[in-house]
This record gives sequence, structure tokens and C-alpha cells, in this order.
Amino acid sequence: NAGVTQTPKFRVLKTGQSMTLLCAQDMNHEYMYWYRQDPGMGLRLIHYSVGEGTTAKGEVPDGYNVSRLKKQNFLLGLESAAPSQTSVYFCASSYLAGALGQLREQFFGPGTRLTVL
Amino acid sequence: GNSVTQMEGPVTLSEEAFLTINCTYTATGYPSLFWYVQYPGEGLQLLLKATKADDKGSNKGFEATYRKETTSFHLEKGSVQVSDSAVYFCALGKAAGNKLTFGGGTRVLVKP
Repeated sequence: NAGVTQTPKFRVLKTGQSMTLLCAQDMNHEYMYWYRQDPGMGLRLIHYSVGEGTTAKGEVPDGYNVSRLKKQNFLLGLESAAPSQTSVYFCASSYLAGALGQLREQFFGPGTRLTVL
Repeated sequence: GNSVTQMEGPVTLSEEAFLTINCTYTATGYPSLFWYVQYPGEGLQLLLKATKADDKGSNKGFEATYRKETTSFHLEKGSVQVSDSAVYFCALGKAAGNKLTFGGGTRVLVKP
């Protein structure tokens, strides 16, 4: 199992350019997430998905769009990149289990380091 | 709403010292609790977890006990190594919830 993979690993954009980050998981998880992590800061949730064809906003959704056309893939798009979007982006996936439907651990990808000049 | 509070770092220790990172939470019901570790330049890895009160999670010499009476999940290790230098995140997941709530992270630096 590859777990959660992210492409690309690094990217440099100019202000106004667009790009798509790809996240793929091979664990058949229903839930997928996109976070950003800025230097010295914790994780901030951008968008998430609770199943194929569904998406929802997290804490910091502005300037980003997402799509979950296939269960195993979760795409994060930047339509017009800004320097404030320079960050490390992490994807994660998870699942529910147990009689109470508890959310179990999230499995994280290795991250994409994005610089916007 | 849900929240997780963990001690601010950085925490600087000498090798073989005892490590404690405090984590307290606010949530209704019976959340699952997690500790994640992030080594420099890497993503987050699950370190340990506990899914019900009084459960003890353990891994790689680290331990944490789910204390519902004090709403805490403190992380401990008896003898740290330089390789334990990392950022540690406490997190909770509510029953029937759809996302985890993370603490702000605690940076730990272990010196030889």
C-alpha cells in the first residue's frame, strides 16, 4: 500500500498562475482533507470531503477549490495564486469505525511545498 | 465546539530526560484522542491513539492515557533521544464527526 500520495512535491508559481495539487489514497477511505501549514504554525483545514462527489469548506477556504470525482482522489486547485498562499499543503484521509461511528486517525501525505512569487 | 489545548513550545531537553507534553480538550460525548508527530520536512504520522476513557495508547516508548475526568491526554516518554526532536500534535475526533480538531503543536528539541 502506498497510503496517501501527493503530487507534485515542490512547485514555484508566479502570482496569478493556476495549478492543481493531486492527492491519492489507496485505503478506500471515505474522508479526505486538505490542510495548509505555515512556518511555526499548526494545521489549518482548507476543504474536506466525506465521500465521492461531496466537498465542504474548512477554516480557510478562500482562494481554493476542490473536487472529489473519484473516491481515491482529492484535487486542490488554486485559480489565481497569491503570495499569501505560499505554504506547505498536506492531504489526509480517514474513515469511521466502531459502534458509535467514531472518526479514526487521519493518514497524511508527505506534503507539497508551494512558493508563490 | 470542540477544542484542543496543548502546551506551547519549544520544549528543550537533554537526552535521556523525561518528557511530558500536556493536552486538554473540550468536547461532548466520547471523542477519540490522538497524538501525531511531525519530523522536520515530513508529514504528520500517527504516534498513538485512544478511543475510550482510561485507554492507554503507547508506541515507541511514548504513552498517553485518556482521562475523561480531567479531559486530558498528556503525552509522556521516560527517556528521550535526539531522534525524538519533532513537533507533536494532539487531536480529537468526535463520535459521528467528520473532521479532527488539532492542537497548535508543541516543538520538542532534544540536545545530546
